[in-house]
Amino acid sequence: QKEVEQDPGPLSVPEGAIVSLNCTYSNSAFQYFMWYRQYSRKGPELLMYTYSSGNKEDGRFTAQVDKSSKYISLFIRDSQPSDSATYLCAMIRPDDYKLSFGAGTTVTVRA
Amino acid sequence: KAGVTQTPRYLIKTRGQQVTLSCSPISGHRSVSWYQQTPGQGLQFLFEYFSETQRNKGNFPGRFSGRQFSNSRSEMNVSTLELGDSALYLCASSLVRGRVNNEQFFGPGTRLTVL
Repeated sequence: QKEVEQDPGPLSVPEGAIVSLNCTYSNSAFQYFMWYRQYSRKGPELLMYTYSSGNKEDGRFTAQVDKSSKYISLFIRDSQPSDSATYLCAMIRPDDYKLSFGAGTTVTVRA
Repeated sequence: KAGVTQTPRYLIKTRGQQVTLSCSPISGHRSVSWYQQTPGQGLQFLFEYFSETQRNKGNFPGRFSGRQFSNSRSEMNVSTLELGDSALYLCASSLVRGRVNNEQFFGPGTRLTVL
């Protein structure tokens, strides 16, 4: 079993819809959680990071962390075709600082 | 400020050959990490270099190695290539290491195909 599980999708939504992405993890040592966005033929870029349970908002993006359930989510409101990409969750343990990634979910926003 | 650059962008090799990939981090960044990305396994950590020393290593065989130079540029080498080594190899740089909120900036990757 992988330490970080993420449904690879693909996920296709109409423009303006809310995109909901999530990951589960098995190791409670993970303390810091991130979401990366990766466009085709590009490297991942950091979207959001958080280290505590609860919600964090940044524009149209909201990241949620529930450490008790070992579950993290990313919501994209008012999705745009430019949001079409692969979204990867990632997390770090403070004892080794290695990023552990989910498989990534491919999202397509239809105009 | 220029981003992380990786060369070459695409590479085709045959089984048994070896390959060297190069990464130039963002100016001033001293930590360089390497990742392998495949459709089946996703993004997997290979190793991290800081101040010319390997500081962290993932679960990959010894055929995968790397080094970092005094200017923080890094190379990774894969010897005796196997078909399963076909992947996108990503390099990421960060300013420092050893902090959980230390953002890593990724390059565009080198697409390696092993025939």
